[in-house]
Amino acid sequence: SQKIEQNSEALNIQEGKTATLTCNYTNYSPAYLQWYRQDPGRGPVFLLLIRENEKEKRKERLKVTFDTTLKQSLFHITASQPADSATYLCALALGAGKSTFGDGTTLTVKP
Amino acid sequence: GAVVSQHPSRVICKSGTSVKIECRSLDFQATTMFWYRQFPKKSLMLMATSNEGSKATYEQGVEKDKFLINHASLTLSTLTVTSAHPEDSSFYICSARPRQAGTGELFFGEGSRLTVL
Repeated sequence: SQKIEQNSEALNIQEGKTATLTCNYTNYSPAYLQWYRQDPGRGPVFLLLIRENEKEKRKERLKVTFDTTLKQSLFHITASQPADSATYLCALALGAGKSTFGDGTTLTVKP
Repeated sequence: GAVVSQHPSRVICKSGTSVKIECRSLDFQATTMFWYRQFPKKSLMLMATSNEGSKATYEQGVEKDKFLINHASLTLSTLTVTSAHPEDSSFYICSARPRQAGTGELFFGEGSRLTVL
């Protein structure tokens, strides 16, 4: 069966450290993968998109990797800040604009 | 960046009534909009794909007569929860995909919290 799993429901780290979130999937062959941030009671906000032929993508303090052999994406936030605390969702592109989402990892950055 | 407006953000209704939620793309045209439902601490569950000028495509298990979707223009899609019951209480979110070729990201509304008493 098809599954998309994010490594943990919650991740707590100290301010200044690097947060690493994992997204694993089975029985999908996505053309691209996306990461979104969602704050409580709000809609998701797009962060980064990485295509199947790209190994790594960066945007400011964010870095995403995509390994289609391992069927895994890693999402890193360097020099984390308390304002980075939120739930992060990975999403696989299914075609025709549709995406399927993981359950998310709630990151808490402590000062 | 592209903005999607969703209204109302919160609605409380009595069991048996119908509720309409609007999703508007404010600064771009969207031929396709998506409607999701989200349960606490869970991810977005795609309910249906709304295509401008045609019938919506519903995901398996979603009652199309219960959740009516209309995509009347390139900037507006509506979701009507008909004869709402307490089990329909949830967070409903829409997203829009720009008409012009983009990089694939979806732009989400702020969500609508429905509480059915």
